[in-house]
Amino acid sequence: AQSVTQLGSHVSVSEGALVLLRCNYSSSVPPYLFWYVQYPNQGLQLLLKYTSAATLVKGINGFEAEFKKSETSFHLTKPSAHMSDAAEYFCAVSEREGGGADGLTFGKGTHLIIQP
Amino acid sequence: DAGVTQSPTHLIKTRGQHVTLRCSPISGHKSVSWYQQVLGQGPQFIFQYYEKEERGRGNFPDRFSARQFPNYSSELNVNALLLGDSALYLCASSLIGNTIYFGEGSWLTVV
Repeated sequence: AQSVTQLGSHVSVSEGALVLLRCNYSSSVPPYLFWYVQYPNQGLQLLLKYTSAATLVKGINGFEAEFKKSETSFHLTKPSAHMSDAAEYFCAVSEREGGGADGLTFGKGTHLIIQP
Repeated sequence: DAGVTQSPTHLIKTRGQHVTLRCSPISGHKSVSWYQQVLGQGPQFIFQYYEKEERGRGNFPDRFSARQFPNYSSELNVNALLLGDSALYLCASSLIGNTIYFGEGSWLTVV
């Protein structure tokens, strides 16, 4: 069985500061890992994905994440926060890139708050 | 290009009723999956369909069912609605084995 733990249900940073959202996963097979963003009253938008090609993954809107197998982590970072980054962020794990028969397993989410 | 489209966007049902939610995948995508997102939680996998066959099912009761049509669109049906079924229902589509793209979701409120 797979699982995802997102540390911190709420993270608050100042505009222009570093954003760090933490994600740890558990998987019995080499995982596919994803970060999705959800703006209020909207669906999920893919930020980036890890598919074993490279451990440092760059995504949209200036976000990136680093896969660390030894730490079973896939933390999301952005060097400089913008007010428009305020949203809910979900980390997800899967045995297959497309989810497959077991789908994606999501964490509970981290609400990112940007202070002006 | 149109993304994943879902209907209706919002609906209110009474306990014990039945609901049908609809999803049109991205053009060319043959795999459709459904997720339930309860307020304050991450999405939970309900079903995956590919080529009109159920390929995977999450830990949901038999009150939940789905089907996929020849044009790859899909319906999620929920019978005997409970208050706890109130959630955002997300549909996602993909080329098989490729990245999943989500729709905006259908907000279901059960009263």
